[in-house]
Amino acid sequence: EAQVTQNPRYLITVTGKKLTVTCSQNMNHEYMSWYRQDPGLGLRQIYYSMNVEVTDKGDVPEGYKVSRKEKRNFPLILESPSPNQTSLYFCASSPGSGGYYNEQFFGPGTRLTVL
Amino acid sequence: RKEVEQDPGPFNVPEGATVAFNCTYSNSASQSFFWYRQDCRKEPKLLMSVYSSGNEDGRFTAQLNRASQYISLLIRDSKLSDSATYLCVVNIPDDYKLSFGAGTTVTVRA
Repeated sequence: EAQVTQNPRYLITVTGKKLTVTCSQNMNHEYMSWYRQDPGLGLRQIYYSMNVEVTDKGDVPEGYKVSRKEKRNFPLILESPSPNQTSLYFCASSPGSGGYYNEQFFGPGTRLTVL
Repeated sequence: RKEVEQDPGPFNVPEGATVAFNCTYSNSASQSFFWYRQDCRKEPKLLMSVYSSGNEDGRFTAQLNRASQYISLLIRDSKLSDSATYLCVVNIPDDYKLSFGAGTTVTVRA
């Protein structure tokens, strides 16, 4: 089944404890992206990747890191999480390098709470 | 000014009714427009792309008005299963990313 998977789905952590949210897609998509969703603000892009080893900042990259060593994986790293990073996170992938022209397929989301 | 703005609603309509709502975008050079559907904090899923000439998919009709910089979504013969939040999505020119509206909530009641 074609899908985007994220792990963990739910995470409660404490300020400053490094964490990684994994994202994997099995559709051979070139474009991958991370979003956070907060009430009233819609989805905001954190980072995106147009292909392996190519990543770039989105609208709200502060406090996050990403890597794209393999085409299928695009982990999101929070080196020192803070309470303002409490949010619902979505990973998405899209065929082609122009992710803005094509349908984006979203993972199921990761609900993160930072205490 | 936000890049994409939507009326948050909620739009409460009875089954069988027609409901329509708009989304405005700020950049006149935007070229890609989409409506996504999101159920109760689950992942967004593409409902339909919006083409210049307007397009229809069953009970759903999307229109693009470039002059006034808005897109619209119309749902005919509403079903209970249409209850969801509808996200307007527009590309940002010269950037490889999309801008999402905060969503319009539709609730269809029996």
